[in-house]
Amino acid sequence: DAKTTQPPSMDCAEGRAANLPCNHSTISGNEYVYWYRQIHSQGPQYIIHGLKNNETNEMASLIITEDRKSSTLILPHATLRDTAVYYCIVRGGAGGSEKLVFGKGTKLTVNP
Amino acid sequence: DVKVTQSSRYLVKRTGEKVFLECVQDMDHENMFWYRQDPGLGLRLIYFSYDVKMKEKGDIPEGYSVSREKKERFSLILESASTNQTSMYLCASSSPARQGYNEQFFGPGTRLTVL
Repeated sequence: DAKTTQPPSMDCAEGRAANLPCNHSTISGNEYVYWYRQIHSQGPQYIIHGLKNNETNEMASLIITEDRKSSTLILPHATLRDTAVYYCIVRGGAGGSEKLVFGKGTKLTVNP
Repeated sequence: DVKVTQSSRYLVKRTGEKVFLECVQDMDHENMFWYRQDPGLGLRLIYFSYDVKMKEKGDIPEGYSVSREKKERFSLILESASTNQTSMYLCASSSPARQGYNEQFFGPGTRLTVL
């Protein structure tokens, strides 16, 4: 079973920030938080991952709470092409399982 | 540009047929995975392989087998297709996790219909 809880759906206006929450209250010390997204009719695509520090790349920012029990993926300026299902995944680091367990994700709809 | 390719985008088979789904990656990845995706159930792992000729069962291996004779190719086999195996099948590959980084690269998927 997925170790994460996400809202089933969210809406966002084009050009605004999209903030997608994820709860992972049972995360253990060596587990990372990963985010993937799946645009309709495509395979999932990696976005970002983090352990305890906030992370940023060209696609998004990841904010992890100090207790690591939750995180937020931020798309700073959402576009229509960001409409997708976003998956938050928790898994072990090096030496841990190579598997990713996908939950049901959050369907983000970006509206014009 | 990294690439995972799957042999067919759409496939229609009849009940009882033996079905082969092929996946090829060009990134020299050790790990390869087969998932199926169904509405309301998300992605579920069928089998994965972390080396040539090595395989491990995922969460839903029943009715499937796999073959990995070469590093770049991972095949999913439905020995006797049934209608409940109608689904989207996704292949992925990755390198072993290092310092937490474990990006899986996915193919475009094969939509299999079993009549």
